[in-house]
Amino acid sequence: AQTVTQSQPEMSVQEAETVTLSCTYDTSESDYYLFWYKQPPSRQMILVIRQEAYKQQNATENRFSVNFQKAAKSFSLKISDSQLGDAAMYFCAYRRGAQKLVFGQGTRLTINP
Amino acid sequence: EAQVTQNPRYLITVTGKKLTVTCSQNMNHEYMSWYRQDPGLGLRQIYYSMNVEVTDKGDVPEGYKVSRKEKRNFPLILESPSPNQTSLYFCASSGSYNEQFFGPGTRLTVL
Repeated sequence: AQTVTQSQPEMSVQEAETVTLSCTYDTSESDYYLFWYKQPPSRQMILVIRQEAYKQQNATENRFSVNFQKAAKSFSLKISDSQLGDAAMYFCAYRRGAQKLVFGQGTRLTINP
Repeated sequence: EAQVTQNPRYLITVTGKKLTVTCSQNMNHEYMSWYRQDPGLGLRQIYYSMNVEVTDKGDVPEGYKVSRKEKRNFPLILESPSPNQTSLYFCASSGSYNEQFFGPGTRLTVL
């Protein structure tokens, strides 16, 4: 069974600085998708960024980028120029096919002004 | 506006009293899922549906039922709720291999 591990329960960063959230996963498949979701205090699950495993190029979305290491099964999220609105719980997730997401335990990110 | 809606958003009930949490999507998605979120465990899939009348168990199906009689609706049924089902529940939908869209969540407390 696929598993996703986020080893950092909590992280904090100064506003305007860069922070990296770690995620590792375990799978025997070669074709899959990886996601980072943000969950602010409103509890809404918001997709931050998506990576297709067959793509070697790391995905980027404005201040958010990933470091996807397929052989190492690692998928970290880098947030540049951190803003107060980035404070949230962040979940890494794995999906193969359309019907199931496997989530990590989450990392709570605090932004210090 | 494309969205997934859930009702109720908050519910406090007592052990053994049957309840239903509704979920509806307006995006004509084939795939729908239910997840529960617990501290330190992330989100875990309860049930999923690949189309009308097609449902299957996820990782934590015990104590839950679902049905998919219409494409847009995917209710979650707790026939005899217990305190260990106190949790935050999310419904999600997706079309084919696109991203999953999540509902706003339902906070359930079983006393």
